[in-house]
Amino acid sequence: KAGVTQTPRYLIKTRGQQVTLSCSPISGHRSVSWYQQTPGQGLQFLFEYFSETQRNKGNFPGRFSGRQFSNSRSEMNVSTLELGDSALYLCASSLTIHEQFFGPGTRLTVL
Amino acid sequence: TQLLEQSPQFLSIQEGENLTVYCNSSSVFSSLQWYRQEPGEGPVLLVTVVTGGEVKKLKRLTFQFGDARKDSSLHITAAQPGDTGLYLCAGPNTNAGKSTFGDGTTLTVKP
Repeated sequence: KAGVTQTPRYLIKTRGQQVTLSCSPISGHRSVSWYQQTPGQGLQFLFEYFSETQRNKGNFPGRFSGRQFSNSRSEMNVSTLELGDSALYLCASSLTIHEQFFGPGTRLTVL
Repeated sequence: TQLLEQSPQFLSIQEGENLTVYCNSSSVFSSLQWYRQEPGEGPVLLVTVVTGGEVKKLKRLTFQFGDARKDSSLHITAAQPGDTGLYLCAGPNTNAGKSTFGDGTTLTVKP
């Protein structure tokens, strides 16, 4: 069974731009979560989608948004990029609350 | 707020040595997961422990869940350079968000 895929793997943007990241979950997984990982803050939860509905949301500003499509694929968008948004963005899919399966991540660099 | 504290934060050892890393909380978790993450990649699920007192073995790795389900440990026997990575513990977050993650233990095994 194919794992979680994320595109693109690497992205360079400048301040003020916006970015869209994509995630395809494991087949059959309806829950998709997004995390931001930085050296100083560790893994921080952004939001979770289940059956096209946002089920949970972390403590991030409204510039961070997401959505999920009927095939469970998910996108996250960050508008008005700031330097502090540079991070590894991870997507994870799951069948239960206990285990998550992560993609390789998208490395976003904001200049 | 459910927090997970991991110790030590950094660990550098020689090949062949044994080590233990810890994951502690003041909250009860229904389960705990251990992940290993290599630089630039997403975390890979190693194990889930569910029952208090449970011990699981994965080759040279031994995972234990505390009797009260508030803590867990990971013991590696005869560490190898391939064990190098960031070890993260995580548990389902009943308040908000998908999972709570510890800040991780960065393990370096020198040949």
